[in-house]
Amino acid sequence: TAGITQAPTSQILAAGRSMTLRCTQDMRHNAMYWYRQDLGLGLRLIHYSNTAGTTGKGEVPDGYSVSRANTDDFPLTLASAVPSQTSVYFCASSPESTGELFFGEGSRLTVL
Amino acid sequence: SQQGEEDPQALSIQEGENATMNCSYKTSINNLQWYRQNSGRGLVHLILIRSNEREKHSGRLRVTLDTSKKSSSLLITASRAADTASYFCATRRNQAGTALIFGKGTTLSVSS
Repeated sequence: TAGITQAPTSQILAAGRSMTLRCTQDMRHNAMYWYRQDLGLGLRLIHYSNTAGTTGKGEVPDGYSVSRANTDDFPLTLASAVPSQTSVYFCASSPESTGELFFGEGSRLTVL
Repeated sequence: SQQGEEDPQALSIQEGENATMNCSYKTSINNLQWYRQNSGRGLVHLILIRSNEREKHSGRLRVTLDTSKKSSSLLITASRAADTASYFCATRRNQAGTALIFGKGTTLSVSS
């Protein structure tokens, strides 16, 4: 069972360029999430979606956008990357908005 | 700002000893969850405790919740080298549609 698939695994990006991190789940979970993990700061929620067609802002949404056109996919877009967006990004899903999360293996992004 | 804060930030013990990690949070919650993260990997769910529960067990894990003190603890008994990882608490606020908010984590090192 694949679970949550994130792509790319790792990417180096020039500042000012755009980038979309892909996230796909095969568990038919309603809720999906994007977190970023930075040393000393733990995981911080960027955006979330409780069901297809809806999205919400998390703790650190600025500079990021998401869409949820269907149940399986939840891409995260950086319109114009800045060095402070260098981080490890984790996508997660949950069968319901109150349950446990299932995480992908992360996408390591470096913005130079 | 983050909802949960773990204590201690780092913990080093010998195999066979017990490890206790604590988590404090700020607002009323629906549930509290503990996750584990091995180096370079995604987070894995360990246990969920609801706001009306006081204690929960899963194998060598014991979680307690004290809603009056807004705190939880995770006890790992008879620790093994394979328990070496970072452990995070995460809280779900008692508000419809809210996402899981993570603390900064406790890094556990178990030496053989």
